[in-house]
Amino acid sequence: KAGVTQTPRYLIKTRGQQVTLSCSPISGHRSVSWYQQTPGQGLQFLFEYFSETQRNKGNFPGRFSGRQFSNSRSEMNVSTLELGDSALYLCASSKGQGGEKLFFGSGTQLSVL
Amino acid sequence: DAKTTQPPSMDCAEGRAANLPCNHSTISGNEYVYWYRQIHSQGPQYIIHGLKNNETNEMASLIITEDRKSSTLILPHATLRDTAVYYCIVRVGNDYKLSFGAGTTVTVRA
Repeated sequence: KAGVTQTPRYLIKTRGQQVTLSCSPISGHRSVSWYQQTPGQGLQFLFEYFSETQRNKGNFPGRFSGRQFSNSRSEMNVSTLELGDSALYLCASSKGQGGEKLFFGSGTQLSVL
Repeated sequence: DAKTTQPPSMDCAEGRAANLPCNHSTISGNEYVYWYRQIHSQGPQYIIHGLKNNETNEMASLIITEDRKSSTLILPHATLRDTAVYYCIVRVGNDYKLSFGAGTTVTVRA
């Protein structure tokens, strides 16, 4: 069974631009979570979607947003990019019923110049 | 904030067992202990989880103390491919806001 797929794998943008990252969960999984990983802050939770609804949100500014489609695929968008947004963005999928393990994708490495 | 404490690093000889400790003294009754690992530039990989009983799967064993304030992940026969950062996380079952600490960097040496 295919794992969690994130595209693109690498992305280079300049300050002020916006970016959209994509995540395709494992077939049958309805929950998608997003995390940001930086060397200084480690892994930090961004938000989680279940059945097209945002269920949980971390402490990130409104420039970070996401959505989930009816097929459970999810996108996250970062507007007005800042240098500090350079990070590995990871998504994780699960069935969303609670108590189950999360499966992570390989991430999108975003560099903001 | 992370609710667990792990040593920052440890070395292990290839073929030997690796025992990774984790303290979670403020764990609540409904929080599970999860272990993930992350190999450089990849997403975290699930290893094992448990509530209060010891657990074993094809990757590792998890030993949770009776008071649940600490646990140990055991990799029975470490290989070079087990070199990674290992994260111990406590989480309520329906909580998707996983809080990762700094983890333990495990280096397996030949």
